[in-house]
Amino acid sequence: QKEVEQDPGPLSVPEGAIVSLNCTYSNSAFQYFMWYRQYSRKGPELLMYTYSSGNKEDGRFTAQVDKSSKYISLFIRDSQPSDSATYLCARSTGFQKLVFGTGTRLLVSP
Amino acid sequence: EAQVTQNPRYLITVTGKKLTVTCSQNMNHEYMSWYRQDPGLGLRQIYYSMNVEVTDKGDVPEGYKVSRKEKRNFPLILESPSPNQTSLYFCASSTGGNGYTFGSGTRLTVV
Repeated sequence: QKEVEQDPGPLSVPEGAIVSLNCTYSNSAFQYFMWYRQYSRKGPELLMYTYSSGNKEDGRFTAQVDKSSKYISLFIRDSQPSDSATYLCARSTGFQKLVFGTGTRLLVSP
Repeated sequence: EAQVTQNPRYLITVTGKKLTVTCSQNMNHEYMSWYRQDPGLGLRQIYYSMNVEVTDKGDVPEGYKVSRKEKRNFPLILESPSPNQTSLYFCASSTGGNGYTFGSGTRLTVV
């Protein structure tokens, strides 16, 4: 079993839709959780960062962590074509290493 | 501008010819790391460094070397590249508190 699992997609939605992206993880050690966005031919860009269960909101983005079920979600409200990218969830037990999911490709059509 | 700079962006080389991919950050970050990204496998850590002269192996270190002689630089060395090292490579750095900042990537092809 991979440490972090993501559905590879692609996930196709119309502009303005609410997008839900999900990850599960298998290691229960104390962890930091992150969501990265990666455009084609670019490096991953940090979107959200949290270390606790619950919700964290930043503009149109909300990260949700449920440690009891080992489930991480990213919600995007009012999705835009510019949100079309691959979304990577990641977790770490310390600062020296991130473990990534394989990413979910999102396509937002105008 | 705060950034992680990798060079070169693209590289085609032949099996066995030593190469170095450079990485530099201007944010005074302690932590630096190298990842490779392959289809279906995602990002996997090669090596990381917690500060000058402190490095350790990640998940896929075979065939790679690193050094951290200065805080800002963290080069990745392939002593004898092989075709299975054809990949997209990313350098990243962090203060430790707020996630990693990634470079733009180096696409390496070994023929």
